[in-house]
Amino acid sequence: GQQLNQSPQSMFIQEGEDVSMNCTSSSIFNTWLWYKQDPGEGPVLLIALYKAGELTSNGRLTAQFGITRKDSFLNISASIPSDVGIYFCAGLNQAGTALIFGKGTTLSVSS
Amino acid sequence: DGGITQSPKYLFRKEGQNVTLSCEQNLNHDAMYWYRQDPGQGLRLIYYSQIVNDFQKGDIAEGYSVSREKKESFPLTVTSAQKNPTAFYLCASAVAGELFFGEGSRLTVL
Repeated sequence: GQQLNQSPQSMFIQEGEDVSMNCTSSSIFNTWLWYKQDPGEGPVLLIALYKAGELTSNGRLTAQFGITRKDSFLNISASIPSDVGIYFCAGLNQAGTALIFGKGTTLSVSS
Repeated sequence: DGGITQSPKYLFRKEGQNVTLSCEQNLNHDAMYWYRQDPGQGLRLIYYSQIVNDFQKGDIAEGYSVSREKKESFPLTVTSAQKNPTAFYLCASAVAGELFFGEGSRLTVL
């Protein structure tokens, strides 16, 4: 089946640093989404990408839909302590019926 | 408030017992989903439903059952056939491919 490879698995950074994480796949996805999950909560949608090559920003977050439709990255600029959490990439499956998730990137920010 | 409500938030059960997790949404979404989350494993799809009275198996449906008798409700039953049921369970509804999640239910089997 379709799979997403998300990296890095975890990151430990200082407050104020920029962060980058990415997802790749051997399959084409027509929609990419990025979610953030706080401990003990459900994931919350950060950014949705619908077109190959699309670059979208949401505050300090920027995400891009790769031109090949097989990858996406998420950047966080000037990180703050509340950025701590697990970030998931997700792609809409070929049937358009369900999201497939990466295994997540756990972000830790020290002040 | 509009949203997705999962209950209970925490649940303990003994081995061999079935347990049902509730998921209710008032967003008027047709599609609903159940995912299971284990540490380091991401979210894995259990079952999903695109419309009332219809549902499909996801990647890890064995040992689980669902029903979709109403648009607002998509309960998940974890049966005794599920070999490793201790996990965090997430319900979601969707529109235009974007999923909106509930706060999750943590099931622990003793």
